[in-house]
Amino acid sequence: IAGITQAPTSQILAAGRRMTLRCTQDMRHNAMYWYRQDLGLGLRLIHYSNTAGTTGKGEVPDGYSVSRANTDDFPLTLASAVPSQTSVYFCASSDSLWGYTDTQYFGPGTRLTVL
Amino acid sequence: LAKTTQPISMDSYEGQEVNITCSHNNIATNDYITWYQQFPSQGPRFIIQGYKTKVTNEVASLFIPADRKSSTLSLPRVSLSDTAVYYCLVGNRGSTLGRLYFGRGTQLTVWP
Repeated sequence: IAGITQAPTSQILAAGRRMTLRCTQDMRHNAMYWYRQDLGLGLRLIHYSNTAGTTGKGEVPDGYSVSRANTDDFPLTLASAVPSQTSVYFCASSDSLWGYTDTQYFGPGTRLTVL
Repeated sequence: LAKTTQPISMDSYEGQEVNITCSHNNIATNDYITWYQQFPSQGPRFIIQGYKTKVTNEVASLFIPADRKSSTLSLPRVSLSDTAVYYCLVGNRGSTLGRLYFGRGTQLTVWP
């Protein structure tokens, strides 16, 4: 069982370009999440999805969009990347809708650099 | 929503017991306390969760006083491999997922 996979592992991107970070889970979890991690700021929630077909905004959603067409996939799109979006991005999932009490399983992360 | 406060960093030596305290003064009656561990270049992973008093598993113990305004993660006899960032989360089943708050965590460095 792979758990959560993310692609790409790392990427250097020119400012203004569009980029989609991919996330796939094989645990049939209902809830999925995208976080960004920056030095000194910890983990911050970007977007989440309670279940397929629904999404919601986290703490730092501006400049990002997500979709949840099915249970397994939860792509994160940067429509027009800016240097402040340079970060490490983590995708996570949890079994039910109760992210606070159910264990979240994290992917290995994508390191994105926007120049 | 109960936000949390943790020390930014802690140092310890191999073989010692480490206690990391998290303050959550505004914790709600039905909130649980959950701790995660993150190694360098990896995503966080669940360590332990509790509601009151004491919880113990093969990795750590979690101590929660009666007023539940703080909690202490205890790591017995740490080794170099326990060097990681430790996050404390507080929330309940009714908490909006969009307000999940990991914060900055505590960087624990274990020295030989």
